[in-house]
Amino acid sequence: NAGVTQTPKFRVLKTGQSMTLLCAQDMNHEYMYWYRQDPGMGLRLIHYSVGEGTTAKGEVPDGYNVSRLKKQNFLLGLESAAPSQTSVYFCASSYPVGDTQYFGPGTRLTVL
Amino acid sequence: KQEVTQIPAALSVPEGENLVLNCSFTDSAIYNLQWFRQDPGKGLTSLLLIQSSQREQTSGRLNASLDKSSGRSTLYIAASQPGDSATYLCAVSYYGNNRLAFGKGNQVVVIP
Repeated sequence: NAGVTQTPKFRVLKTGQSMTLLCAQDMNHEYMYWYRQDPGMGLRLIHYSVGEGTTAKGEVPDGYNVSRLKKQNFLLGLESAAPSQTSVYFCASSYPVGDTQYFGPGTRLTVL
Repeated sequence: KQEVTQIPAALSVPEGENLVLNCSFTDSAIYNLQWFRQDPGKGLTSLLLIQSSQREQTSGRLNASLDKSSGRSTLYIAASQPGDSATYLCAVSYYGNNRLAFGKGNQVVVIP
């Protein structure tokens, strides 16, 4: 049981490049989330999904897109990376309302 | 918008002392409140989850209380150890989708 895994762990992009971050969970959780963590700002929700095929915007969705084609996977895409997207990205998953969220180890992204 | 505040941002205590970490939130209509631990460069690990109908939760040396009416939660760590050094994050969830609003954390150093 691997829990929540994230790929890649580190990435450096140039401004304007695109990339996709992959989150996978093996706990059969319905809900999945993408957060970013920045110094002095704390963790902020980017997008989330309440089930396969669904997505919804969080607190800071601009510049990101997501997809949940399979229940176990939640993808976060950056179409045209900007330096303001330099951050640590965390994925999390949970059962529906009332349960704890389980976090992945994070992806450290630097945009030059 | 739900605001979650954790004060102080950082603190140091000698080994063996009890730790008291405070969390306050502006909207008392929460579904639950969670305390997480984050080690440097790592993801978040859930410590305790308190449902809105509960007043406290305990796990080993950890005890978390919840006072919804005053918008406060306190995490107590008894007999602190150097291994307790980490950042502790408080998060509250909303009804309906389990979205979390995070505080910025209490960075704790336990001095041997």
